[in-house]
Amino acid sequence: NAGVTQTPKFQVLKTGQSMTLQCAQDMNHNSMYWYRQDPGMGLRLIYYSASEGTTDKGEVPNGYNVSRLNKREFSLRLESAAPSQTSVYFCASSLQGSYGYTFGSGTRLTVV
Amino acid sequence: GDSVTQMEGPVTLSEEAFLTINCTYTATGYPSLFWYVQYPGEGLQLLLKATKADDKGSNKGFEATYRKETTSFHLEKGSVQVSDSAVYFCARWEGGSEKLVFGKGTKLTVNP
Repeated sequence: NAGVTQTPKFQVLKTGQSMTLQCAQDMNHNSMYWYRQDPGMGLRLIYYSASEGTTDKGEVPNGYNVSRLNKREFSLRLESAAPSQTSVYFCASSLQGSYGYTFGSGTRLTVV
Repeated sequence: GDSVTQMEGPVTLSEEAFLTINCTYTATGYPSLFWYVQYPGEGLQLLLKATKADDKGSNKGFEATYRKETTSFHLEKGSVQVSDSAVYFCARWEGGSEKLVFGKGTKLTVNP
């Protein structure tokens, strides 16, 4: 009963490096989301995928790309990391959004 | 635009005190409303929800009533415990864009 699994849990990058954050869900949910959480800013939506094969920008998409690899997996890529991308990243999924989301435990990313 | 506004924290209470965290929303129509809780170092968990006016969501001693007249969904608990220390997020479903809109969160600390 894993729910939403995010990897890695922690990561330190140097400015300019790239990396991909992985997210997988085993609940057969249709929609998946990527958020970032910063002190005093709450949760901000980066990208989301309403269904397999579709992706859309959220509030803060600049500097990120996503791939909905299949129904289970939704990855977030930072092509050239910047210190402003230091944050905690959460993936979430939902069968039908109006029912609520299930969140992963997060990835704490530090860019130095 | 549509939004969710919740009381700013932090909120500090003694064990067994009464808790209220205010949440108001603006929206077209009557969206589903949610409270999520985030314990230290973890992802968000759905605490309770209400899908229509006058519904009361409840879980773990927490309650919130969907008030369309005041566009509010305040979170209450009669007697808090140290283990309730967490950040609480109010959210509403935005059907047009098919995503949840979150408040900025309220940090609750309960002292023994």
